[in-house]
Amino acid sequence: AAGVIQSPRHLIKEKRETATLKCYPIPRHDTVYWYQQGPGQDPQFLISFYEKMQSDKGSIPDRFSAQQFSDYHSELNMSSLELGDSALYFCASSLGRGRQPQHFGDGTRLSIL
Amino acid sequence: AQTVTQSQPEMSVQEAETVTLSCTYDTSESDYYLFWYKQPPSRQMILVIRQEAYKQQNATENRFSVNFQKAAKSFSLKISDSQLGDAAMYFCAYRSLNTGNQFYFGTGTSLTVIP
Repeated sequence: AAGVIQSPRHLIKEKRETATLKCYPIPRHDTVYWYQQGPGQDPQFLISFYEKMQSDKGSIPDRFSAQQFSDYHSELNMSSLELGDSALYFCASSLGRGRQPQHFGDGTRLSIL
Repeated sequence: AQTVTQSQPEMSVQEAETVTLSCTYDTSESDYYLFWYKQPPSRQMILVIRQEAYKQQNATENRFSVNFQKAAKSFSLKISDSQLGDAAMYFCAYRSLNTGNQFYFGTGTSLTVIP
């Protein structure tokens, strides 16, 4: 069965650069979640979208923005990258909002030099 | 790749009763970590309990305990004396120590606590 696809799997950037992470949900899933997991840390919820509208907002920095497109894929745009942005970024998708099963992607590992 | 399976999309428990959430995983590794996270409506992930695979003793945190069966690749979470505040999504997660500390998550179990 198709799973959540995240691209790229690995990304290396330098400070003050920008990065765009992409997430392709499971077909027919209408909700996407973004999480950030720093080294040795627990996942932090960043933001979620339901039917292309922002649904919940967590610890997303002002330097980051995200959106969900008409095909339900989502992109996380990160600007003015800092060393502390080095982390695993997970995307998950679900069918519907609320307490629905979330299917996680394998994550994008972002390294800031 | 490792997989984590939570076969119970929804569970319910009467307040003050005990409930067990199941989690199984597939791996060929011998050393790894297992986690249970609680996700309230805020969507934040709150660490409930962590288990190191090399430790035979089951981890316990107050009313939360696990039944870690390494050979069976099972890692269930037991919540005793359930409280209304325990209602949330619960995610089981696996952390590899070999593949760059990669995390793998189950799909979650929605726990309802009935007053």
